[in-house]
Amino acid sequence: DTGVSQNPRHKITKRGQNVTFRCDPISEHNRLYWYRQTLGQGPEFLTYFQNEAQLEKSRLLSDRFSAERPKGSFSTLEIQRTEQGDSAMYLCASSYLDGGPNEKLFFGSGTQLSVL
Amino acid sequence: DQQVKQNSPSLSVQEGRISILNCDYTNSMFDYFLWYKKYPAEGPTFLISISSIKDKNEDGRFTVFLNKSAKHLSLHIVPSQPGDSAVYFCAATSTGGGNKLTFGTGTQLKVEL
Repeated sequence: DTGVSQNPRHKITKRGQNVTFRCDPISEHNRLYWYRQTLGQGPEFLTYFQNEAQLEKSRLLSDRFSAERPKGSFSTLEIQRTEQGDSAMYLCASSYLDGGPNEKLFFGSGTQLSVL
Repeated sequence: DQQVKQNSPSLSVQEGRISILNCDYTNSMFDYFLWYKKYPAEGPTFLISISSIKDKNEDGRFTVFLNKSAKHLSLHIVPSQPGDSAVYFCAATSTGGGNKLTFGTGTQLKVEL
């Protein structure tokens, strides 16, 4: 399967612990996005990378959150000192920017985080 | 503030009939609109899109209509099939802004036999 892969699928942690999620995008996709989705809401943009450069971060991404894409391939999203309000589905998406108007995002199945 | 709104949280339609899902937006900078479909325990899947230079785009059973003056778009599915039962998200972006999508809250479509 050559789709976007996210690990783990589920993560349960205690408040105050650190967690890290991984996203493997579709091969050769140069853009990678992180979104967060809570119950009853649509996905909300968190941050995105073009190759290894992080180009934009949402104000939703507090200083407890950090994302990396060290070699322009896979990406990690780390949350430090988790809070109950961090409980959500974290979605990764990738796309290939070719300069055209029809860039389409392909989403992974997400990591469901539950903070107890 | 919710820049993309889907005011109907759910919609129930009989198999074979038309499903119409609606979406409104407030940001005049949006110039590209997309619909995504989401099944439980899966990520959203791209369905169809439309640029602001068009007012209609069709792909098989799916047609998206855009009314820029009203800042409104709709997705028509005809004929509806049971496999279309899913949550449908409307999304919008300004193409000069890194393709950062702003999503609506979704509409749960149920197609009944």
